[in-house]
Amino acid sequence: ETGVTQTPRHLVMGMTNKKSLKCEQHLGHNAMYWYKQSAKKPLELMFVYSLEERVENNSVPSRFSPECPNSSHLFLHLHTLQPEDSALYLCASSQSLGSGSDEQFFGPGTRLTVL
Amino acid sequence: GQNIDQPTEMTATEGAIVQINCTYQTSGFNGLFWYQQHAGEAPTFLSYNVLDGLEEKGRFSSFLSRSKGYSYLLLKELQMKDSASYLCAVRDSNYQLIWGAGTKLIIKP
Repeated sequence: ETGVTQTPRHLVMGMTNKKSLKCEQHLGHNAMYWYKQSAKKPLELMFVYSLEERVENNSVPSRFSPECPNSSHLFLHLHTLQPEDSALYLCASSQSLGSGSDEQFFGPGTRLTVL
Repeated sequence: GQNIDQPTEMTATEGAIVQINCTYQTSGFNGLFWYQQHAGEAPTFLSYNVLDGLEEKGRFSSFLSRSKGYSYLLLKELQMKDSASYLCAVRDSNYQLIWGAGTKLIIKP
């Protein structure tokens, strides 16, 4: 595997379910990110991790819970979601946290539908 | 507040040239990025500007004017595969990326 991978690619869940999204980066990067992408809206930064420590939490509801067990893996645990949480969830990584021209490399995303 | 503005949708003809504009108002500036995102796929990096002027990379060029809070992405010799959304993002004073909503580019034969 190369780049940034995400599983599952598609997920349908009820409001009472608990599920987890997984992200893995094979680039040796030190920073990882979770974004929410809704139609015709800007990417919303949810969580940022640098060297496995959370450095940013942009007022995300507690029904979203991130976990970063090591610098290559990032999880997003979901529970009691609402229909408005339906969106594309993108994972990204970068060499470092916001340094100069460091670009972010994105995974293909998980398309989440909450019924 | 912080804001990135770009047109929602543009249409152009195969073989032609198109310019996608981006204006920004952010707390600080540490560079501007353009990304391309095909439907159902990951955004991929196109260009980075931190100084004023034009950066050329093949058929794609990106321009920046920091004093005007303005950038554009210029695509030449358009191909059908260029149909995608183009995202503008600015790195602010906290080194976080602030994103625009993206411009959907439709290429017609």
